[in-house]
Amino acid sequence: QSVLTQPPSASGTPGQRVTISCSGRFSNIGSSTVNWYQQVPGTAPRLLIYNSDQRPSGVRDRFSGSKSGTSASLAISGLQSEDEAAYFCTSWDYTLNGWVFGGGTKLTVL
Amino acid sequence: EVQLVQSGAEVKEPGESLQISCQGSGYLFRSYWIGWVRQTSGRGLDWMAIIYPDDSNIRYNPSFQGQVTISVDKSLNTAYLQWSSLKASDTAMYYCVRAFGGNSLGAADYMDVWGNGTTVTVS
Repeated sequence: QSVLTQPPSASGTPGQRVTISCSGRFSNIGSSTVNWYQQVPGTAPRLLIYNSDQRPSGVRDRFSGSKSGTSASLAISGLQSEDEAAYFCTSWDYTLNGWVFGGGTKLTVL
Repeated sequence: EVQLVQSGAEVKEPGESLQISCQGSGYLFRSYWIGWVRQTSGRGLDWMAIIYPDDSNIRYNPSFQGQVTISVDKSLNTAYLQWSSLKASDTAMYYCVRAFGGNSLGAADYMDVWGNGTTVTVS
């Protein structure tokens, strides 16, 4: 069982906006920032959002992140078929003194 | 281009030893923490261990301490993950990751580059 809690699945139609949640504790999300990764089946995870709301160069501005208290969210606007993938959140945990992960959310574009 | 290239898939029997590798390129290897993450369909993703190549400072996830050994060869820009006696439960995909941040690992750091992954099957 993963330390951070994500819904196992999410879905939307092309053009829609979807959000994926990530819930943790004071020792991780509550005291640190959140990072999000996209994993297309058969490939390695790719950094999508860092420091809760920052996009690396090359990541489309359709992807955005936010954090409040012990929860965080990833929003994807203008949903496209290429967005179909698994999305993971991660955060530094001060109890572990390392990173913890969410269980991942599989996004389906209908 | 910053890249982490991992060694190929492995099939081993229980009790055997194994070392997998991860070679970095396109950046100053010794100045970034480099670590390992396990991915399984049942347990998801777990951070295992991380090392700072410049001084070989190491951190282990307590769940993996004593189960694996992380090491690095600065001259080859390569990090390693080693098992002395594999178990069936070690069957997984293993990714090496670079941590972007300073030399004192902490909450401000994040895993920005991932390797291509190494599948380990123990059966």
